[in-house]
Amino acid sequence: ETGVTQTPRHLVMGMTNKKSLKCEQHLGHNAMYWYKQSAKKPLELMFVYNFKEQTENNSVPSRFSPECPNSSHLFLHLHTLQPEDSALYLCASSPRGGGSPLHFGNGTRLTVT
Amino acid sequence: SQQGEEDPQALSIQEGENATMNCSYKTSINNLQWYRQNSGRGLVHLILIRSNEREKHSGRLRVTLDTSKKSSSLLITASRAADTASYFCATDGSSNTGKLIFGQGTTLQVKP
Repeated sequence: ETGVTQTPRHLVMGMTNKKSLKCEQHLGHNAMYWYKQSAKKPLELMFVYNFKEQTENNSVPSRFSPECPNSSHLFLHLHTLQPEDSALYLCASSPRGGGSPLHFGNGTRLTVT
Repeated sequence: SQQGEEDPQALSIQEGENATMNCSYKTSINNLQWYRQNSGRGLVHLILIRSNEREKHSGRLRVTLDTSKKSSSLLITASRAADTASYFCATDGSSNTGKLIFGQGTTLQVKP
């Protein structure tokens, strides 16, 4: 148990589907993150939320839409994805922003067909 | 270009040997962190070293930081098969936005 729970663990979706990834942290942290991990590439930061406010959008296409209703929950809404969006999507949290250590969930393995 | 780049990309050693991984980065930093990732799992934070520190230890881990060369190394002593994983360095680029930039990682295999 990492303290950061991601669901589902695996997701297969077609390019016309709409789905959502969920992340929940039980650590009392105030910052939450979405990262994308593709084969042969470094982790790519997608979004950062501090105290429910988005503080970073790393030029992510609009087909990815984050939502942070409170400091414990983070969602990534997906629609009209492309096959190249297939990757491991990792959620992380930290006590605050500013470079403090991240606690990661085990990720959602997404396959877009 | 990436902030952190690890070297080597892959490393294979025998149990009991030491493993050394290197990380180079490009901009000034507040701190540098090392993470481990087992196959199919999330990353686990190992150690954080601040820009004004030169060396840090945690159990069998030893991290060094040379800000003049913009490089860091992670040494795992007396390696075990359970150390088999990918290891990543991450830097904050001296920002306070929470933006950690990761390198591509070193894949370590420790053979029993």
